[in-house]
This record gives sequence, structure tokens and C-alpha cells, in this order.
Amino acid sequence: QQQVKQSPQSLIVQKGGISIINCAYENTAFDYFPWYQQFPGKGPALLIAIRPDVSEKKEGRFTISFNKSAKQFSLHIMDSQPGDSATYFCAALVDKLIFGTGTRLQVFP
Amino acid sequence: DTGVSQNPRHKITKRGQNVTFRCDPISEHNRLYWYRQTLGQGPEFLTYFQNEAQLEKSRLLSDRFSAERPKGSFSTLEIQRTEQGDSAMYLCASTDNSNTEAFFGQGTRLTVV
Repeated sequence: QQQVKQSPQSLIVQKGGISIINCAYENTAFDYFPWYQQFPGKGPALLIAIRPDVSEKKEGRFTISFNKSAKQFSLHIMDSQPGDSATYFCAALVDKLIFGTGTRLQVFP
Repeated sequence: DTGVSQNPRHKITKRGQNVTFRCDPISEHNRLYWYRQTLGQGPEFLTYFQNEAQLEKSRLLSDRFSAERPKGSFSTLEIQRTEQGDSAMYLCASTDNSNTEAFFGQGTRLTVV
């Protein structure tokens, strides 16, 4: 019940394309859903986050879509750039963050 | 204050030795978390503190692992009698009272040989 399932495991996108990463959860007590970006050798850094009373949140090229009834949420990266190449983790919070397994994104020029 | 600081950045130790890692959180943050991350996986929760009180420990945290936060500021994570399976990145994070945005340190990479 504490798991957060993330897909795909890896994603290859051409520059300018849209990257989409999906997550699903079971525990309805989760009340905050962040996405983290991690570069090799670095700790995860918060990218964007949403609360379950909102269906969508957009910050620049990054958008979270949230479907409370389906217990799913997704990250959309518009106009993907080579600098976006990193590993992305979804997470869910109740007392502590529970992370998904990660998606390695590669954006080619 | 430049964020969450972890030391050392890298540690190589022989199996059976004890190791200790240190985390200095952002100064006004009262929650401090320890996570473990292995290659290709997401961070796994180990334990967390609210000020100096250790509020939760994961079942992943065997009795060889102990964490402290004696004055509610920095924290240490000690692993006794290290095993090869302990090789991982150990991450520390801190949050303020809102407990939303968790700031992570750069981690301590442990290699047990």
C-alpha cells in the first residue's frame, strides 16, 4: 500500500518532443505528490509538486496531471531539451516521501 | 547556509568494519530524513527525526544501523559490521514545518569491499 509505481523505466525523446512519465499509488492518505530530478552523482532536486485537490499544475515546460479517482499522476515535459536528460522520480508524501523506481530520460538533439 | 551537507562524499570500507556518516541539514529545518539509494532504484526511506526525536524507522533498518540527532541539528548514521549489501548511496534530506519540499544532500556513496 506504500508503493508508488512508475513507468516507463527509460525514455528516449528527440529535442523539442514531449516526455511523459506516469505514476500510480494505492495509499489514499498520501497528500502531496512531488517530482524530483536527479543528475548522476547528485542528490534528487525538487522539480514540481501537486496536492490532490488540484488536477493540473504547470511551471514553465513542466506540467503535472493528477487523477485522484484513478490514483494516478503524470509528468509532462514540453519542448524537451538535451539538458533535461536525467533520472526523474515521482514521489508521494505522508510523514515521509515514498519514491517511485525512476525513469531515465535521454533527450537527443 | 548553502543547503544540506553530507560527509564524507565517498567511503570505501572493508567488510566487517564500522562506518559513520554525517548530515548537516538546512539550519531552520526541524525534520531530517535518511534514505538509501542503490543503482537504478529510487531512494528508500530508512528513518526520520523531528528535532532530536527519531519518529520512525523502516524495517529496512537492521539492528546494525543506528541514527542519532542529539541536539536536533546535525545527524549521524552508523553502520556496524558492514556487509557488501550495504554498498549504496546514503542520502539525507531536511524539511521545515510544512514538511513539503524536501532538500536533499549530495549523498555519501558507500562501497564495501
